[in-house]
Amino acid sequence: DSGVTQTPKHLITATGQRVTLRCSPRSGDLSVYWYQQSLDQGLQFLIQYYNGEERAKGNILERFSAQQFPDLHSELNLSSLELGDSALYFCASSVEGGSQPQHFGDGTRLSIL
Amino acid sequence: GIQVEQSPPDLILQEGANSTLRCNFSDSVNNLQWFHQNPWGQLINLFYIPSGTKQNGRLSATTVATERYSLLYISSSQTTDSGVYFCAVASSGTYKYIFGTGTRLKVLA
Repeated sequence: DSGVTQTPKHLITATGQRVTLRCSPRSGDLSVYWYQQSLDQGLQFLIQYYNGEERAKGNILERFSAQQFPDLHSELNLSSLELGDSALYFCASSVEGGSQPQHFGDGTRLSIL
Repeated sequence: GIQVEQSPPDLILQEGANSTLRCNFSDSVNNLQWFHQNPWGQLINLFYIPSGTKQNGRLSATTVATERYSLLYISSSQTTDSGVYFCAVASSGTYKYIFGTGTRLKVLA
């Protein structure tokens, strides 16, 4: 058990809808990262937050947004969903940012019908 | 941006065999990690190793940052080692981790 909790584990929805994925980092970790894993794109970095502030942004679509709350949990919001958004979404956390090992949650599998 | 290449892409071993997985990167990095994704999809952090050598049981890793590569050694492989091994790097001055395409390992009993 990595200590990183992601909910829900599975999510099935339709095109055009909006969903929210939630992540609770390990106790004591200040940094949260979001990744997308799809068959054609592999594992891609989306965005990182550190202690409530955005620190780095990767290949995150404009339809996607994220935030980290004062209690350090994070949410990834995906809107106007398309079939191509079907993927496994991982959250990871680390004590600080960048120079620390990352620990991953079990992921949320998103299926768009 | 930085490119990360892993080799070999696929590897099949008999239980008990040793193997070496390689990760090449195209630019200087400050951070490098090795992960194992098991058949259930879970990503497990194996090593945080921007430079030097580390060992953890049957696994060890070496990163030669000046030559832009890292190696992951698996000794006395077990069926539970099956899965995909990823290398991820973040170049100097950024926190954006770039993942390689992975090495898919299958260990046969």
